[in-house]
Amino acid sequence: AQKVTQAQTEISVVEKEDVTLDCVYETRDTTYYLFWYKQPPSGELVFLIRRNSFDEQNEISGRYSWNFQKSTSSFNFTITASQVVDSAVYFCALLGKNAGNMLTFGGGTRLMVKP
Amino acid sequence: EPEVTQTPSHQVTQMGQEVILRCVPISNHLYFYWYRQILGQKVEFLVSFYNNEISEKSEIFDDQFSVERPDGSNFTLKIRSTKLEDSAMYFCARSPPPGTGNTEAFFGQGTRLTVV
Repeated sequence: AQKVTQAQTEISVVEKEDVTLDCVYETRDTTYYLFWYKQPPSGELVFLIRRNSFDEQNEISGRYSWNFQKSTSSFNFTITASQVVDSAVYFCALLGKNAGNMLTFGGGTRLMVKP
Repeated sequence: EPEVTQTPSHQVTQMGQEVILRCVPISNHLYFYWYRQILGQKVEFLVSFYNNEISEKSEIFDDQFSVERPDGSNFTLKIRSTKLEDSAMYFCARSPPPGTGNTEAFFGQGTRLTVV
């Protein structure tokens, strides 16, 4: 069985602060993929990143960075110098190669960035 | 340009009525999905559809749900007799076929279904 846990249900920061969203996963698959999606107030799901289980290199994209640690089954997401437009719900998701071609989502973290 | 277009964006229906949610992929991909998100909760997998047949389905996807691709383009989710607890955002998604090494799932903007 697959499981994704986002322990932080809600985080509130002031603009320009850095913030890290935690994601911990469980899977029996040795090959799997991890994702982050952003859900702004308008409701759509916006793809942010995909990472496969064989690639533990951290990734940076502008103010976003991701830290994949296989040893602790974590795939954390950091926003540097947060902005009000970053306010959204962020979902971590897992796709296991042998667990069917479907995404298992975490419960989401609501990020509120105040001016 | 969106990868997937869903219609309608919002539908209100009476309990017991049938609803059909539609999804139109921009490109001719073979692998489609429906997911559901009850307000304030996580996104849950309903069903995947590959090569015009159901590939996998979750326990949520019971007999009141069905999917089809009637004209080779639109991909529909039908709920036969809606219940109050079917109120949710329904997302269609598409991804490249398996074996291509690309597993990204691109979601439509969602259809908000409200059952009254």
